[in-house]
Amino acid sequence: GAVVSQHPSRVICKSGTSVKIECRSLDFQATTMFWYRQFPKQSLMLMATSNEGSKATYEQGVEKDKFLINHASLTLSTLTVTSAHPEDSSFYICSASPGPPYEQYFGPGTRLTVT
Amino acid sequence: QQQVKQSPQSLIVQKGGISIINCAYENTAFDYFPWYQQFPGKGPALLIAIRPDVSEKKEGRFTISFNKSAKQFSLHIMDSQPGDSATYFCAASMDQAGTALIFGKGTTLSVSS
Repeated sequence: GAVVSQHPSRVICKSGTSVKIECRSLDFQATTMFWYRQFPKQSLMLMATSNEGSKATYEQGVEKDKFLINHASLTLSTLTVTSAHPEDSSFYICSASPGPPYEQYFGPGTRLTVT
Repeated sequence: QQQVKQSPQSLIVQKGGISIINCAYENTAFDYFPWYQQFPGKGPALLIAIRPDVSEKKEGRFTISFNKSAKQFSLHIMDSQPGDSATYFCAASMDQAGTALIFGKGTTLSVSS
């Protein structure tokens, strides 16, 4: 149990275009999902907390107009990178908890490459 | 206050040896301490977690030791195997809904055969 999926696993897009990444909890409902970003050989950096039916909470320094988060149902959150640029290239990972207890389970990640 | 400090940054252990990774936290409100294992190109996988009501938790070859007064916790991997070669992250949070994990910087473990 407690499986989180992400789609797509890899995406290559051109600079200036937008990309949508989906995060789904497959066998549980999640009121809250989290989005992280990870650069090579570095730790996970929390970008935002996605709350079902309400606005996401963004971490300091994360542009909310660039990284649009929608949590329209208890099993789906989406992250849209708008007007992507090469510096947005990274590994994006989501997590969710079936809680309580509040163990967090991570998706397999999405590798975004902006050319 | 929100930091979780992890050491060492990298670790090389011989097959069959014990791997030990240490973490320290500052925020005394933290009451949930998980360890994650991550292979290249994959998402982190929950390995084992502990809450402050116990000082040690063991699952197979993996053991967490927790010292509440020192605000430290560690992961021990017994009989380390080449398949254990991965990056390990400790994390901490408050054990309640909607609380994000604070991650350590990670430890890259290489188990030589």
